[in-house]
Amino acid sequence: DGGITQSPKYLFRKEGQNVTLSCEQNLNHDAMYWYRQDPGQGLRLIYYSQIVNDFQKGDIAEGYSVSREKKESFPLTVTSAQKNPTAFYLCASSGGGQGFSQPQHFGDGTRLSIL
Amino acid sequence: GENVEQHPSTLSVQEGDSAVIKCTYSDSASNYFPWYKQELGKRPQLIIDIRSNVGEKKDQRIAVTLNKTAKHFSLHITETQPEDSAVYFCAASKRGKLIFGQGTELSVKP
Repeated sequence: DGGITQSPKYLFRKEGQNVTLSCEQNLNHDAMYWYRQDPGQGLRLIYYSQIVNDFQKGDIAEGYSVSREKKESFPLTVTSAQKNPTAFYLCASSGGGQGFSQPQHFGDGTRLSIL
Repeated sequence: GENVEQHPSTLSVQEGDSAVIKCTYSDSASNYFPWYKQELGKRPQLIIDIRSNVGEKKDQRIAVTLNKTAKHFSLHITETQPEDSAVYFCAASKRGKLIFGQGTELSVKP
């Protein structure tokens, strides 16, 4: 969807380096999500936030960190503790807010590789 | 925690035939079930969804059915076309958190 912008499209990480993936939305959605997709696999939830200044761990949060200081922004940091970061990272947002399920709309993704 | 199983992992049909993909979920409190289509290297796109208070929903050639008692739901695509070829994901949601199935790679042969 045009309302969710992820950058960069491609990112390379060196050993021991932290990298930050950007996700911005102009849909006025309360909830935002980060997923990891490995080749031939489904989407696995890393972190999600249903309201500003609050976020929860998903199923594979180890080695990742997030912040939600603004409603429109939900950056994901892949830390050096994440030993296998190579994957396709997808950000999504929905209007559901606190605990109400609404359709999630995705950005175009960031492909992260190790140098 | 919630688990979603999706079958089959690959599906090949002739153009014009129907395709059916099935999913089962484990958490009976799940109340929202979307289906996404993902073309190679692109974002998943929502194609249809259903809530737990509805048994069936249809949108042109696509339909979804939900059996809450058995905790399974299915995607039906009729009159398939080559442009339907993609990976399809089901998901189940409770309180805004989606759990995805592993995906089905659908190939429609002309």
